Amino acid sequence: GENVEQHPSTLSVQEGDSAVIKCTYSDSASNYFPWYKQELGKRPQLIIDIRSNVGEKKDQRIAVTLNKTAKHFSLHITETQPEDSAVYFCGPSGTYKYIFGTGTRLKVLA
Amino acid sequence: DTAVSQTPKYLVTQMGNDKSIKCEQNLGHDTMYWYKQDSKKFLKIMFSYNNKELIINETVPNRFSPKSPDKAHLNLHINSLELGDSAVYFCASSRTGTGDEQYFGPGTRLTVT
Repeated sequence: GENVEQHPSTLSVQEGDSAVIKCTYSDSASNYFPWYKQELGKRPQLIIDIRSNVGEKKDQRIAVTLNKTAKHFSLHITETQPEDSAVYFCGPSGTYKYIFGTGTRLKVLA
Repeated sequence: DTAVSQTPKYLVTQMGNDKSIKCEQNLGHDTMYWYKQDSKKFLKIMFSYNNKELIINETVPNRFSPKSPDKAHLNLHINSLELGDSAVYFCASSRTGTGDEQYFGPGTRLTVT
């Protein structure tokens, strides 16, 4: 079956530093690559996504890069702030099926 | 306006009971999903429906029976509840189901005692 791995599982950074989370997937039919943020006790919410015809996308302090050949994509957060503390999930998908990664707990230390 | 809503928010029940969780979306989306999030925060897809038709059933025990009376609703009925069913259940929807953003409901925390 499809396999999605996220690394690291936990990440602690000082406020103002950068954070990078990597997602590796196995399903070559995946064509949509989103990242979701889930704050404690809340629902997951999309923060950025990329499609397979694009290599990189940026939205203010967050960016996503895609390497479809190697089957991985990464979330980059620059100038981290305490409110970035949350669990982040990647969710590569094809049709009607989203397989989420195991999650990365990011702690931004003030 | 709430985009994806679920009821109830909390559900505490005993082993062996039958319970239902309701989900509604007012976004006009074609595809709806159920996910289970366990205590380790793994988010696992259970079912996906497109225009009321079951598309994905991810090896979920047949004690779990989804029902979609129309494309705005996807309910989850669980028979003979077990301790291992304790989790947060999220409903979600997306516009087409083929590579688009999912909108999650607030979740239902199910505790089986």
